[in-house]
Amino acid sequence: GENVEQHPSTLSVQEGDSAVIKCTYSDSASNYFPWYKQELGKGPQLIIDIRSNVGEKKDQRIAVTLNKTAKHFSLHITETQPEDSAVYFCAASRVTSYDKVIFGPGTSLSVIP
Amino acid sequence: DAGVTQSPTHLIKTRGQQVTLRCSPKSGHDTVSWYQQALGQGPQFIFQYYEEEERQRGNFPDRFSGHQFPNYSSELNVNALLLGDSALYLCASSLENEQYFGPGTRLTVT
Repeated sequence: GENVEQHPSTLSVQEGDSAVIKCTYSDSASNYFPWYKQELGKGPQLIIDIRSNVGEKKDQRIAVTLNKTAKHFSLHITETQPEDSAVYFCAASRVTSYDKVIFGPGTSLSVIP
Repeated sequence: DAGVTQSPTHLIKTRGQQVTLRCSPKSGHDTVSWYQQALGQGPQFIFQYYEEEERQRGNFPDRFSGHQFPNYSSELNVNALLLGDSALYLCASSLENEQYFGPGTRLTVT
């Protein structure tokens, strides 16, 4: 069945350093890849997404890259700040008929001041 | 815009009981999806409603059922509760692919 793997499960960085989270997906028909940030006691918040017709997308300190051939995609956060500390989820779905979203297991990011 | 709202915030039920969770989608959104999130895991897709019909379903038993009303709000019903049903239940609304999540309902089954 469809599956999304995510690494690492925990990540600790110094404030100002960069953080990278990597994901792989199994369904080759997936073509929409959102990333979510979940803070304690809250629901996941969409922070950035990428579609299969592009290889990279940036939004201020956040960037995502996609390698469809290898079925890999990554989240890059530069100049990390303490408020970036949260659990991050990658996900994959198909942009057809509002397909269900398959989530990875999550990465707990801690930014140390 | 209030965003996606869910009620109640927390709920404690006994094994074997039934529960109903409610969700109001973001203004203008016509599709509602429900997810179960166990502690320390990613959300797992339960089902999706569009135009008052279940459009997609994940790998969950028939004890999990839902409904969507004409105003696009939705309910999730779980019958014959098991201890393993304890989780955060998330509702997400969407108009196209971008899903917006509510804060969730924390269900504890004792």
